[in-house]
Amino acid sequence: EVQLVESGGGLVQPGGSLRLTCAVSGFNVSNNYMSWVRQAPGKGLEWVSFIYSAGSTYYTDSVKGRFTISRDYSKNTLFLQMDGLRTEDTAIYYCARLDDTAAVYFEYWGQGTLVTVSS
Amino acid sequence: QSALTQPASVSGSPGQSITISCTGTSSDVGSYNLVSWYQQYPGKAPKLIVFEVNERPSGVSNRISGSKTGNTASLTISGLQAEDEADYYCCSYAGSRTLLVFGGGTRLTVL
Repeated sequence: EVQLVESGGGLVQPGGSLRLTCAVSGFNVSNNYMSWVRQAPGKGLEWVSFIYSAGSTYYTDSVKGRFTISRDYSKNTLFLQMDGLRTEDTAIYYCARLDDTAAVYFEYWGQGTLVTVSS
Repeated sequence: QSALTQPASVSGSPGQSITISCTGTSSDVGSYNLVSWYQQYPGKAPKLIVFEVNERPSGVSNRISGSKTGNTASLTISGLQAEDEADYYCCSYAGSRTLLVFGGGTRLTVL
């Protein structure tokens, strides 16, 4: 059974850092296309970052230079290191697995972890 | 402002059919048969219900269907049931630079 479980969210001041973790079971995180998608309170979905099976990484413009996606093969875990946090980064952050053909749709989702950036 | 345009809300009575539109451009919806749809209940994670315009994942009701004409994709739910009341989001591939774009979401109310 495929499971994705996020953790690491919380309250942080503007300019601070957080590291989100997505523990994966049922498949190998290093052999799949993985992503982080966020949803601000009462708003729609926005993709934040992708990591492809070959290791290529992509970021939405608003987080480039501040967020870093990575994975740990031995722990079968996906990470999102978030530095220089801004109030507009406040959102629920979902870990999601993309389809293994072309990485064009989000096949499985975790339950999300809430990040609140506020002073 | 979202890249894809969806109506903020739609409603229908039990047993009726509804259609949610998702309008993009020739750079996304119009260029690729790579539109997906997600259903989200309040406080829950999104769930994939349609991919590649009109394909349904295993386990998704056959009352749900997708289509596309030009720059507009559509999600149709027939035989509305109370359990269909949720938010629905469309998403399209938009090329190798932008990758994926979402719609702003549509709240479906079953009257």
